[in-house]
Amino acid sequence: AQKVTQAQTEISVVEKEDVTLDCVYETRDTTYYLFWYKQPPSGELVFLIRRNSFDEQNEISGRYSWNFQKSTSSFNFTITASQVVDSAVYFCALQMNSGYSTLTFGKGTMLLVSP
Amino acid sequence: DTGVSQNPRHKITKRGQNVTFRCDPISEHNRLYWYRQTLGQGPEFLTYFQNEAQLEKSRLLSDRFSAERPKGSFSTLEIQRTEQGDSAMYLCASSANNEQYFGPGTRLTVT
Repeated sequence: AQKVTQAQTEISVVEKEDVTLDCVYETRDTTYYLFWYKQPPSGELVFLIRRNSFDEQNEISGRYSWNFQKSTSSFNFTITASQVVDSAVYFCALQMNSGYSTLTFGKGTMLLVSP
Repeated sequence: DTGVSQNPRHKITKRGQNVTFRCDPISEHNRLYWYRQTLGQGPEFLTYFQNEAQLEKSRLLSDRFSAERPKGSFSTLEIQRTEQGDSAMYLCASSANNEQYFGPGTRLTVT
């Protein structure tokens, strides 16, 4: 069985602070994918990134960066110089390479960025 | 095609009534998924279609729930005899490969 744990329920920061959202996953498979989605107050899940289990290179996209560490089964997400528009719930998700590619989500971390 | 669409966006119904939601996936996406999201939780998988075939159903999908994708394009999710515990956001996603793109969801409130 697979599981995703996002231990931080809510994080509050002031604009321009850096913030890291933690994600720890469990799976017995060797091939899998990890995702991050953003869910703003409007409710729609917005795809941010997909990473496969064989690619441990960190990735940076603008103010966003992701740190994948297979040794600790973690896929953490950092927002640099946070902005009010970053306020949302962020979900980490795990997808197996076998089966029908359904996503297993964590419970999400609510990020509140105040001006 | 701008993305996955879902209708209605909001539905309020009385306990015991039947409701039906519709999902229009991104065209040419052959995979379609339904998820349910309750307050403070991440989405939970309900069911999966590849073209018109329903290939997987979660144990969360009781016999009051049924889903169809008759022509391999849009899909409907019906809940019969709704209960207050069915109140949730119902999300649809479509995919051509491993990346799933989500619609805005239908928020169901059962009173």
